[in-house]
Amino acid sequence: AQKITQTQPGMFVQEKEAVTLDCTYDTSDPSYGLFWYKQPSSGEMIFLIYQGSYDQQNATEGRYSLNFQKARKSANLVISASQLGDSAMYFCAMREVNTGGFKTIFGAGTRLFVKA
Amino acid sequence: DAMVIQNPRYQVTQFGKPVTLSCSQTLNHNVMYWYQQKSSQAPKLLFHYYDKDFNNEADTPDNFQSRRPNTSFCFLDIRSPGLGDAAMYLCATSGPERDINNEQFFGPGTRLTVL
Repeated sequence: AQKITQTQPGMFVQEKEAVTLDCTYDTSDPSYGLFWYKQPSSGEMIFLIYQGSYDQQNATEGRYSLNFQKARKSANLVISASQLGDSAMYFCAMREVNTGGFKTIFGAGTRLFVKA
Repeated sequence: DAMVIQNPRYQVTQFGKPVTLSCSQTLNHNVMYWYQQKSSQAPKLLFHYYDKDFNNEADTPDNFQSRRPNTSFCFLDIRSPGLGDAAMYLCATSGPERDINNEQFFGPGTRLTVL
């Protein structure tokens, strides 16, 4: 079974609009961390935002926010006021305590295209 | 700035000719990782080190080896590259200790071409 599911292979958004990238996860571990990374065409993976399983509030980092719905096991990334530079691949990822906290499991990714 | 550095950024090798990719970090992190990423796919973990403890993923081919001589450096050796090994290789670190809350810091990657 997929641990991290990103159902949108590609997404288009108009510049300055908000966009939501979907992510659902599967774990029986009560303690886990959820991450979003951005990968531009240059190849470097850039950390965007983190949500801990025990965090009561949704994480926010500038234009990025994470819509964390624990009961539904979803951790969607919301990008507000999209910019052309946001065009990239976006990966949702999870780390679980029961794997020693080392191993990060990545989803298949969503490619975001921002239109001018 | 503290960072993760990978050299070279682009590597071209011939089929079967050994190649070594290098990674260094100035973050003093305990954990270092090597990932293989093929076009439009998620990164695939090959192995990781926690300090000097080496952890190989079960499906990592024997063709791939790694060395970590000290905290700062980690090497990926591909003993006999095949055409299927052409990919982007990403090095990452996390720390200072193992913790599910720690994000990974990635290097810029080495793009390997096998002729």
